[in-house]
Amino acid sequence: IQLTQSPSSLSASVGDRVSITCRASQDIGSFLAWYQQKPGKAPNLLMSSPSTLHTGVPSRFSGSGSGTDFTLTISSLQAEDFATYYCQQLNGYPLTFGGGTTVEI
Amino acid sequence: LLLDSGGALVQPGGSLRLSCAASGFTFPVHAMIWVRQAPGKGLEWVSSISGSGGATSYADSVKGRFTISRDNSNNAVYLQMNSLKVDDTAVYYCARLSEPRYQLLYPFDFWSQGSLVSVSS
Repeated sequence: IQLTQSPSSLSASVGDRVSITCRASQDIGSFLAWYQQKPGKAPNLLMSSPSTLHTGVPSRFSGSGSGTDFTLTISSLQAEDFATYYCQQLNGYPLTFGGGTTVEI
Repeated sequence: LLLDSGGALVQPGGSLRLSCAASGFTFPVHAMIWVRQAPGKGLEWVSSISGSGGATSYADSVKGRFTISRDNSNNAVYLQMNSLKVDDTAVYYCARLSEPRYQLLYPFDFWSQGSLVSVSS
């Protein structure tokens, strides 16, 4: 199952609303997660399902989608949100990640 | 907490074993994975192992060369890497599947800090 993220990068400012999309090559139901990764660090789980925030993740993050189309939204970008975001399908092997979206200042 | 070790510089064709020590949770009920990230690239799933160790899966890119295993008495998971190629150069992370007793359908909630494997002559 291939995951295509768009855009691959974006420039935004603090306070902006940002959306990232992830499209699966076949129906994966709701078996999709989102991760945030900062340079030199391990990924951190953001969304444990398309619309479920992982424990401790700020409510400015939200997500939606099912089937093949998914969206991660940051309602008001904060300085600490500048990072790379990955979607991952959990439906079957091989587990696959999207190519990543880098959110830059 | 996941703490990995074993990363090193190795020549093409060589072997290396990565270790990942777990603490703070009931290790034997959680599936574990290895994920790698080549320099400047995205995340790539490498291998998974069930909580019991009885079921394993591999990416096509490493099948037949890498072996995942675990020692539940010592709360550790391993990745034995043989016939290493230049393209295996990456930071390798181990991670825990969040839901006990599952191998799929749930995300990975704890990650190690990463071990750098460099394959070069």
